[in-house]
This record gives sequence, structure tokens and C-alpha cells, in this order.
Amino acid sequence: EDQVTQSPEALRLQEGESSSLNCSYTVSGLRGLFWYRQDPGKGPEFLFTLYSAGEEKEKERLKATLTKKESFLHITAPKPEDSATYLCAVTNQAGTALIFGKGTTLSVSS
Amino acid sequence: EAQVTQNPRYLITVTGKKLTVTCSQNMNHEYMSWYRQDPGLGLRQIYYSMNVEVTDKGDVPEGYKVSRKEKRNFPLILESPSPNQTSLYFCASSLVINTEAFFGQGTRLTVV
Repeated sequence: EDQVTQSPEALRLQEGESSSLNCSYTVSGLRGLFWYRQDPGKGPEFLFTLYSAGEEKEKERLKATLTKKESFLHITAPKPEDSATYLCAVTNQAGTALIFGKGTTLSVSS
Repeated sequence: EAQVTQNPRYLITVTGKKLTVTCSQNMNHEYMSWYRQDPGLGLRQIYYSMNVEVTDKGDVPEGYKVSRKEKRNFPLILESPSPNQTSLYFCASSLVINTEAFFGQGTRLTVV
């Protein structure tokens, strides 16, 4: 069964305190792994797509990496405006849907 | 501006009263999908469409209908809403399934 598990569920950081979010996935023949950011009451906003193990992508303070079983979202020197829920998703084996994890809620305090 | 537009943003209705949530995209995307988001359950797919006139069930299709008569529009229809359909709904579109998806602003539906 296609599955995505994110950890931790919640993460509290001080401004400037770097950390990583984990996304473990189970799907045969990965077609794509996606990271989204979601602010309360709003739709998910696309951050990154990774297609093959070893791939890395960066955007400002965020860096996403991919292995054959998991992906990490590294946050370097976070700021309060980085506070949000970060969602990980994979394309299912049938190629018909995105399977989402339950997300990691990040709170960054100044 | 590339966007997915949902309407209404908020809706309170009564059990059994048919309703439609509209979704429109301006990016000429082939793939469109509806999700519901519930606390502790995350985003779950209701229905999807690979292209015009091609729709299929997702993981939680019971109580919902969709249509795709035009490429840009993908309405979600609740023929007889029930309280267990109270949720936050999102429409999404992408060029094809494994590319960047754009999400609408969401529709918060309450069925009493």
C-alpha cells in the first residue's frame, strides 16, 4: 500500500535554530515526491519536486533531499515567517493521485 | 496570474440540501482533483480527472459527484450532504499528475 509518514508531528524552534523534517514513503516506482507549505486555512503551496534518489533542491532557507526510502526538508536558520505546516506527498503507484502525509507543524519563535 | 479559484470559501448548509462547489483553473492543466482535509486524517482524494470527460474515484468518493465538461472547470457536487461531510475542501490542478500541483484557497463546508 502506498504510504507517506512524516515526523515529527510538531516542531518548535528558536529563530536561527536549524533542524530537519522527515518524510518516509512506501511506493513502488517513485514517480515524484513533493513538498508543500500550508498556512492555516489556506491551500498548500508548492515548494519542491524530487524525482530520483540523490536529488537535492534549495530555496532560500529550505533544502530538500531524497533517498530511496525517505526525504528530508532541512531548514537553516529559520525565521518566524517559516512557521507553517509542511506537507510531503508522493504520486501513487497507479499514477492517479498524490498521497499526502499528515504534515509537520513548525513553530519558530523569535 | 496562474491560479485555481474555488467558490464559495465558506458554506453552512442543512442536511440533504444539494450544493455545488465550483473550481476553475486558468493554466490549461489536464489533471484536476478534489481533496478533503480533516484534523488527524490529512488530505484525502475524493475524485480526480485526467482530462475532459475523464473522471474517476479517489479514496473517499462516497456522497460526492464531479463532472469535467470543460478543461478549466471541475465542480464538486454533494447531492444530499450529511454532517460527516463537514470538512475543508481543496481543488487542485497540475499539467499532469507528477508535476507541481496548484491548490485553490479552500472551501470550508459545515453541514448541520
